[in-house]
Order: sequence, then structure tokens, then C-alpha cells
Amino acid sequence: GAVVSQHPSRVICKSGTSVKIECRSLDFQATTMFWYRQFPKQSLMLMATSNEGSKATYEQGVEKDKFLINHASLTLSTLTVTSAHPEDSSFYICSARTRMGQGSTDTQYFGPGTRLTVL
Amino acid sequence: GQSLEQPSEVTAVEGAIVQINCTYQTSGFYGLSWYQQHDGGAPTFLSYNALDGLEETGRFSSFLSRSDSYGYLLLQELQMKDSASYFCAVRASDKIIFGKGTRLHILP
Repeated sequence: GAVVSQHPSRVICKSGTSVKIECRSLDFQATTMFWYRQFPKQSLMLMATSNEGSKATYEQGVEKDKFLINHASLTLSTLTVTSAHPEDSSFYICSARTRMGQGSTDTQYFGPGTRLTVL
Repeated sequence: GQSLEQPSEVTAVEGAIVQINCTYQTSGFYGLSWYQQHDGGAPTFLSYNALDGLEETGRFSSFLSRSDSYGYLLLQELQMKDSASYFCAVRASDKIIFGKGTRLHILP
């Protein structure tokens, strides 16, 4: 099946620094990529949707100036957590989607996630 | 907006059958998915229902009733490795929204 990678898998940083997380679709072109955040024992919360070559669409309550998303190519999207604070510590998961299916099998593939710890 | 309801926890015995229900409210519904997530891992896709009825994939089956805004995941011949969280997710418009997840505990 399709593969989505994320890098790094784990990152620990100091409060106030910025962290960049990469999401790559390895064997397909992703027209749309999604970024989710998951706190321990909670659900995945959609943060933003990004389409290649255009600005990301952020969900309500997500600060676009804090969580910068770039989707410069059909295989790469990046999420930068700027001026990270301990409350930003979470599991960040990206997913990538190919062309929208017509009632067929779901075509959204998830990356393995990045665990961010802010000290 | 969208909302999904599923039980927070379910407990079953190894070898048994368990059903995890999901009800949803959404606009622009395309289909209902189920994902499995083990502790510390990312969600993995299990099934997708766009039309009413039952879809079977090995030990797992998923059902959808669009008129009732309801679906369920059925796990048969439970194994200890099935202990995980299970999320129903709705494809609405151009994105997927997840439920809060059901933690499945399996007893030997």
C-alpha cells in the first residue's frame, strides 16, 4: 500500500525554539495533506488541511502563525511549530490523500507520527 | 459542524466477538471509516463504508446505515493483539473527522 513518512519520529526541544516536522508521500503524489494533533488518550484533532501550492486551511482554534504549514510539492508538506511551549507537547500525525475517490476505498494514508516534547 | 459518538471503553474475552458502535452528525457525508491505533503508534486504516451494508475483511467487519447515521465495527475471534483504540471517522466534504475513540480491553 501507499507509504507516508514523517521526520523526525521524536523530537525534544527547549521552550521558545521552533521545530519543523516533515511529511512525505513516498510512492504517490498527494494533492492534499492533513495535519493532526493527538494528546495522550485523546482523539486525533485535525489542525489544518493543505493543498499543494496554496495556503493551508486551519481549523477553528488553531493558530496559523504558530503552526506554519508549507506544501511546496506533491510529495512534501512541513509543519513548523514556532516558539514551542510545553503545552505544544503532543503527537503530531500527517496524512496524505490522492485524488478523491468516488465511493471507493478511502485513499487517505497516515504517517507514523512525530512525538514532540517541549521542555 | 460534525460530531461522532462512540463508547469510551469496551471489554471482551479472547476468542469472543465484540461490536463497537458509532453514531454521527455531519454535513456532506461521504463515508465512514474505522482505524486502529496501538499505544504509541499512528492510526492504521481498517475499513471504509460509503454505502449501506456490511463490509467484511477477514476477522473485521464494518456496517453502515446512512439513514440512521450509524455504523459499527465488528471484531471476531478476538486476539490479545487486538487490544487497542478504535476510531470511527467520517469523511465529510474534503476532510476526515475522528471520533474520540474506543479503548478495547481483551481479557485472556
